[in-house]
Amino acid sequence: AQSVTQLDSHVSVSEGTPVLLRCNYSSSYSPSLFWYVQHPNKGLQLLLKYTSAATLVKGINGFEAEFKKSETSFHLTKPSAHMSDAAEYFCVVITISSGSARQLTFGSGTQLTVLP
Amino acid sequence: NAGVTQTPKFRILKIGQSMTLQCAQDMNHNYMYWYRQDPGMGLKLIYYSVGAGITDKGEVPNGYNVSRSTTEDFPLRLELAAPSQTSVYFCASSYEGGRGSPLHFGNGTRLTVT
Repeated sequence: AQSVTQLDSHVSVSEGTPVLLRCNYSSSYSPSLFWYVQHPNKGLQLLLKYTSAATLVKGINGFEAEFKKSETSFHLTKPSAHMSDAAEYFCVVITISSGSARQLTFGSGTQLTVLP
Repeated sequence: NAGVTQTPKFRILKIGQSMTLQCAQDMNHNYMYWYRQDPGMGLKLIYYSVGAGITDKGEVPNGYNVSRSTTEDFPLRLELAAPSQTSVYFCASSYEGGRGSPLHFGNGTRLTVT
């Protein structure tokens, strides 16, 4: 079985300050990890993905994430928050089991508020 | 490319009514998925399809049906709507089923059953 835990359901930052959204996972197989963003009344948009190449992954809109296998983490960061970053963020893990079954698991989401 | 298109955007149903949520993609993706999103619960997989004519159940299939007659379309059918089906429904697609293949999402259908 695999799981994804987003450690904060809500994060609030001031505009111009750093953003840290935390994600931990557990999996029996080598994972791929993704971050998605969801703006109000919109679908989920892919921010970035890790698929076993470089452990530091850069995404759109200045976001990046680092895969740390020893800590089973994939935290999302951005050096300076912008008002337009206010949204809900989802961490997703995908694995392929020994029986070739694809398992995709979503975290429960982190709501990011950016204060002026 | 329009990507993944869902219709309608909003719908209110009475208990016991039926409806079909439409989903179409123009990216020639083989894999398509239906998720429901409830507050604080992330997304739960209802049904998925790995190609035309092939569908399979996800985590929460009860009360729903799907079909996949073409690569492009993947409608979701609710036969007897219940208040527990009040949710936001997302259709998604991916090029293939490997662990590196991300999902592309539509903008969702917000369904209320009263």
